[in-house]
Amino acid sequence: QVQLVQSGAEVKKPGASVKVSCKASGYTFTYYYIHWVRQAPGQGLEWMGGIYPNSGGAIYGQKFQGRVTMTRDTSISTAYMELSRLTSDDTALYYCARDGELERRNVIDYWGQGTLVTVSS
Amino acid sequence: DIQMTQSPSTLSASVGDRVTITCRASQSIRSWLAWYQQKPGKAPKVLIYKASSLESGVPSRFSGSGSGTEFTLTISSLQPDDFATYYCQQYNTYPLTFGGGTKVEIK
Repeated sequence: QVQLVQSGAEVKKPGASVKVSCKASGYTFTYYYIHWVRQAPGQGLEWMGGIYPNSGGAIYGQKFQGRVTMTRDTSISTAYMELSRLTSDDTALYYCARDGELERRNVIDYWGQGTLVTVSS
Repeated sequence: DIQMTQSPSTLSASVGDRVTITCRASQSIRSWLAWYQQKPGKAPKVLIYKASSLESGVPSRFSGSGSGTEFTLTISSLQPDDFATYYCQQYNTYPLTFGGGTKVEIK
């Protein structure tokens, strides 16, 4: 079965960077786009961007341009999201999620368990 | 960016009620709209894609309609398992954007 397993919770100081990993299993990793979506406490969902594991090509939301980097290691079926220059506004649950297929492209059909990133001095 | 506006933000309803949630896009997204359900402490789950196509395994009491800029999610007879927060998401254009959510509460 499809699974996305994310790295554990992180506590960071303002100005630092965080790198979250997302290990995929149960499907061919290179065939499906990986999205990154975050959710601040008690708030809604915010798409940050995504990466094509096959090519490594990534698309970032303009809000995160210059601050986010999405990469992947196909040898271990793992995607990564690194966010730099953290502020308290970046405190959120960060999800990796898999794209759907065919007419469900850009619809998210599988989600990781989420990684809580807390930014605090 | 395309703005997605959901209404209402909170909805109080009883088991058996018919419930309708509205999602409006700031510009036409044709039929490229999905609906998700999220329960506390859980990741979202897709219910509807392409505005009206039911995801496999989702109960038929859920339905979606609309095109262009106005969309609705309808639950024909609310069940105890349906109390949750619902989000719309457009995928016509990057960046993908979500509505602010509608929390369906027990009346």
